[in-house]
Amino acid sequence: GDSVTQMEGPVTLSEEAFLTINCTYTATGYPSLFWYVQYPGEGLQLLLKATKADDKGSNKGFEATYRKETTSFHLEKGSVQVSDSAVYFCALSEGFGRGYQKVTFGTGTKLQVIP
Amino acid sequence: DTAVSQTPKYLVTQMGNDKSIKCEQNLGHDTMYWYKQDSKKFLKIMFSYNNKELIINETVPNRFSPKSPDKAHLNLHINSLELGDSAVYFCASSQRREVETQYFGPGTRLLVL
Repeated sequence: GDSVTQMEGPVTLSEEAFLTINCTYTATGYPSLFWYVQYPGEGLQLLLKATKADDKGSNKGFEATYRKETTSFHLEKGSVQVSDSAVYFCALSEGFGRGYQKVTFGTGTKLQVIP
Repeated sequence: DTAVSQTPKYLVTQMGNDKSIKCEQNLGHDTMYWYKQDSKKFLKIMFSYNNKELIINETVPNRFSPKSPDKAHLNLHINSLELGDSAVYFCASSQRREVETQYFGPGTRLLVL
């Protein structure tokens, strides 16, 4: 089946540093790609998404571009804040028949931003 | 108003017991999910229901039984709890046509002793 691989954490950065979290995927079709964020003690929230090749998803200063040629969807932010400390999940959606789809999540990357 | 709510938030119990976790969503979504997140934050889908119909049933022990009395509720019953069941269980919901935009509940932290 389809799968998502993301870089292992934890990633520790100083405030205002540049962030990249790598994500690559394996898919037989043309999945949609997303990033979810999980703040401490909470459930996941959709951060951004891209539905086709070369689309760029963006939200709250985070960006990710759907790269079909490299099967990647890396998450970037130019200047991180302490409040960005969370676990970030890369994910894709795949169809599995009867018109249904399901989301497959990566293993999560913990980001810690220090003042 | 809470969009997706779960009860209880914490559950500590002995091995061998039976327990239930309840989930309700007030977003008008037609699809609901149960996920298990282990101590390493790995998130795995367990079940998904669309309009009360089971559509995803991953490789989960049959001690786990979901029940959806209506499309706003999805409960999870676990029989004969084992140590390895300790995890955080998340309920989520979405529209079938927008499966990527899932709304997650706050999680139920289950500890089996």
